[in-house]
Amino acid sequence: GEDVEQSLFLSVREGDSSVINCTYTDSSSTYLYWYKQEPGAGLQLLTYIFSNMDMKQDQRLTVLLNKKDKHLSLRIADTQTGDSAIYFCAEKNSGAGSYQLTFGKGTKLSVIP
Amino acid sequence: NAGVTQTPKFQVLKTGQSMTLQCAQDMNHEYMSWYRQDPGMGLRLIHYSVGAGITDQGEVPNGYNVSRSTTEDFPLRLLSAAPSQTSVYFCASSYSAGGPIGELFFGEGSRLTVL
Repeated sequence: GEDVEQSLFLSVREGDSSVINCTYTDSSSTYLYWYKQEPGAGLQLLTYIFSNMDMKQDQRLTVLLNKKDKHLSLRIADTQTGDSAIYFCAEKNSGAGSYQLTFGKGTKLSVIP
Repeated sequence: NAGVTQTPKFQVLKTGQSMTLQCAQDMNHEYMSWYRQDPGMGLRLIHYSVGAGITDQGEVPNGYNVSRSTTEDFPLRLLSAAPSQTSVYFCASSYSAGGPIGELFFGEGSRLTVL
């Protein structure tokens, strides 16, 4: 079955760049996502990348996809204290009847002022 | 903009009690789902629905029932609560089950404690 792995914790200083990494096993993934969960709240879609892309940039966010290694990363430039949250990597595959997203366990980003 | 609304936000139950977690969305989304979030376990899919009258099991369905009589509502029922069901429950919906993007919109969560 599909599996999505990510490290559980990351700590960075305010103003530095954060890089959150994720690996996945399903080679038929069509879309890969990054969701953000702030304390006491539900998840919100941060960004996504289609599997035929290598990179996507959106303001301070850069998503890199290495399909050969099945590795996805999220870089947050100029990290702010408001970026402190849990970040989930998720994949959606193209199998028939596949309606589900498979989530990683989440990476808790702590930003030190 | 209401989006996905879950009630209640907090609930304490005794072992063996039953209850229903409510979920409603006002975005005319076809796809609705329930996840549970536990420390160190991430999000696990309980049940999902691709339209009114259609439901299916996810990864961890045991102990839970769902129904989808309308497009808007997708309640999750615990028939006989157990301490192992202590968790935070999230309802999520999407405009199309097999659509090209599949962005999920999440509710704020319902924190359930079973004593």
